[in-house]
Amino acid sequence: EAQVTQNPRYLITVTGKKLTVTCSQNMNHEYMSWYRQDPGLGLRQIYYSMNVEVTDKGDVPEGYKVSRKEKRNFPLILESPSPNQTSLYFCASSYGRRNTEAFFGQGTRLTVV
Amino acid sequence: QQQVKQSPQSLIVQKGGISIINCAYENTAFDYFPWYQQFPGKGPALLIAIRPDVSEKKEGRFTISFNKSAKQFSLHIMDSQPGDSATYFCAARGYGGSQGNLIFGKGTKLSVKP
Repeated sequence: EAQVTQNPRYLITVTGKKLTVTCSQNMNHEYMSWYRQDPGLGLRQIYYSMNVEVTDKGDVPEGYKVSRKEKRNFPLILESPSPNQTSLYFCASSYGRRNTEAFFGQGTRLTVV
Repeated sequence: QQQVKQSPQSLIVQKGGISIINCAYENTAFDYFPWYQQFPGKGPALLIAIRPDVSEKKEGRFTISFNKSAKQFSLHIMDSQPGDSATYFCAARGYGGSQGNLIFGKGTKLSVKP
């Protein structure tokens, strides 16, 4: 089954404790991205990657890092999480940046206390 | 320039009624306009999409109307059903540079009452 898999689905952590949210896709997609979803703000892009070792900032990159060492994986790293990073996070992938359909993961609900 | 403005924020419709969600954009470089549907606890999923060379696209009960001159597009859900209750996001994608990324509206929470 074609899918984008995120882990964990739920995470509660404390301020300053480094964490990684993993994202993996099995569709051989080149383009992957991370979004955060907040009430009233919709989906905002954090980072995106057009291929292995090619990443770039989205609209809200502050406080986040990403890496793309393999085509299928695109982890999101929070080096020192803060409460304002409490949000619902989605990973998405598509065959190309201009491909018609982006496939989203199930989401990771992160709470930073 | 990069924004996509979506309205209303929430919408309540009776079963069998028509749901209408509107979006507006400024950037004339946008050339692809999808709508995504999101159920609680799930990620968004592509519902229907349109390119600016057509004024309307219909798939079943879902129709996108596109007005290029007004820089507006809308989603119409005919014969709305309780199973359509979800959050709907419009989006736009441009051409080249950072405009190649999807820009999402803020979403509309649709509730269809039985």
